[in-house]
Amino acid sequence: DTGVSQNPRHKITKRGQNVTFRCDPISEHNRLYWYRQTLGQGPEFLTYFQNEAQLEKSRLLSDRFSAERPKGSFSTLEIQRTEQGDSAMYLCASSRQRYEQYFGPGTRLTVT
Amino acid sequence: SQQGEEDPQALSIQEGENATMNCSYKTSINNLQWYRQNSGRGLVHLILIRSNEREKHSGRLRVTLDTSKKSSSLLITASRAADTASYFCATPGETSGSRLTFGEGTQLTVNP
Repeated sequence: DTGVSQNPRHKITKRGQNVTFRCDPISEHNRLYWYRQTLGQGPEFLTYFQNEAQLEKSRLLSDRFSAERPKGSFSTLEIQRTEQGDSAMYLCASSRQRYEQYFGPGTRLTVT
Repeated sequence: SQQGEEDPQALSIQEGENATMNCSYKTSINNLQWYRQNSGRGLVHLILIRSNEREKHSGRLRVTLDTSKKSSSLLITASRAADTASYFCATPGETSGSRLTFGEGTQLTVNP
């Protein structure tokens, strides 16, 4: 049973650049979630997909952020025109049922 | 905003001792979950307790839930150095059962 994988694990970018992260969920899971976590805090919900449909987005997800899940399999999270405040760990999770979520190792973004 | 608040923020104990962490939340819930996060790793689901349950066990973990006080506790018995991690409680969102709202976590250090 392979877990949730995320790529890249680390990303350093300059302010103003665009970045894209990828998440591959557990294969039989139809639900996929993105969270953001800053140092010393718990994860904060960003968005959620059921199959290919994006069903919920947090107000944290500004218009610079976009997420997709084509074909209901892997998902990408893109941040355009990155800002230093975007520096965080971006976590992806998947689930088959409504509650228990399985998290990936995260992508750590540093915006310089 | 965070739904849950963990207490204490940090806890340091000796191997073999028990560790108790508390979580308070604000709104009505139908379940509460506990997750563990080791340094540099993703979150791992530990246990889920439903609102109609008062206590649940899993190995060395014991979770209680008091819906009248909107609080939960996680007890780890006979702690090990490998239990060193951050522990988070998480609750489903008010309007969506799919998103999880995490507390700020308790950093547990178990000294050998």
